[in-house]
Amino acid sequence: ETGVTQSPTHLIKTRGQQVTLRCSSQSGHNTVSWYQQALGQGPQFIFQYYREEENGRGNFPPRFSGLQFPNYSSELNVNALELDDSALYLCASSLTAGQAGELFFGEGSRLTVL
Amino acid sequence: AQRVTQPEKLLSVFKGAPVELKCNYSYSGSPELFWYVQYSRQRLQLLLRHISRESIKGFTADLNKGETSFHLKKPFAQEEDSAMYYCALSRGGTSYGKLTFGQGTILTVHP
Repeated sequence: ETGVTQSPTHLIKTRGQQVTLRCSSQSGHNTVSWYQQALGQGPQFIFQYYREEENGRGNFPPRFSGLQFPNYSSELNVNALELDDSALYLCASSLTAGQAGELFFGEGSRLTVL
Repeated sequence: AQRVTQPEKLLSVFKGAPVELKCNYSYSGSPELFWYVQYSRQRLQLLLRHISRESIKGFTADLNKGETSFHLKKPFAQEEDSAMYYCALSRGGTSYGKLTFGQGTILTVHP
């Protein structure tokens, strides 16, 4: 069974640039959630994708967008990067959106915005 | 809006001592509560959820709706319990993947 994988693991961008982060969900999982974890804080929910549709969004501006593909992998895109976007971005997959499924997390992509 | 508070950022105990990690929440509906754990150099993983009412690695947690708390307890701490612990809340229904996390508590168990 393949776990959740994320890429890249680390990246550095400058303010105003755009970034795309990628996530491959665990085998058989059709739901992907994205979280932002600032230093010293708990993860904060960005949005969730279920069967290629956005299924809920946290308190993040529209410049945070996402996609889910037919194989259930997902992308997180952030436009017009700001310094405060520097954080660890976690992807988590689960079996289905509507049940008490365990979330399986990736190791994260650490984004630094200069 | 829901909120999860973990009042202790750091908690240190000695091996064999009881340990309690506190978690309080605010939510007007019927929440689902979870504890997630991150061991050194490992990814975040589920430790336990209140609906299962199970003991995992000797840890238990009881949902107290009156006090809006979901404290994590273990009667005899072990060194391998040293980790970052996060309490998390879901609104249930179709919201299971949309968790609200606390800030986390770093537990250190000394030999």
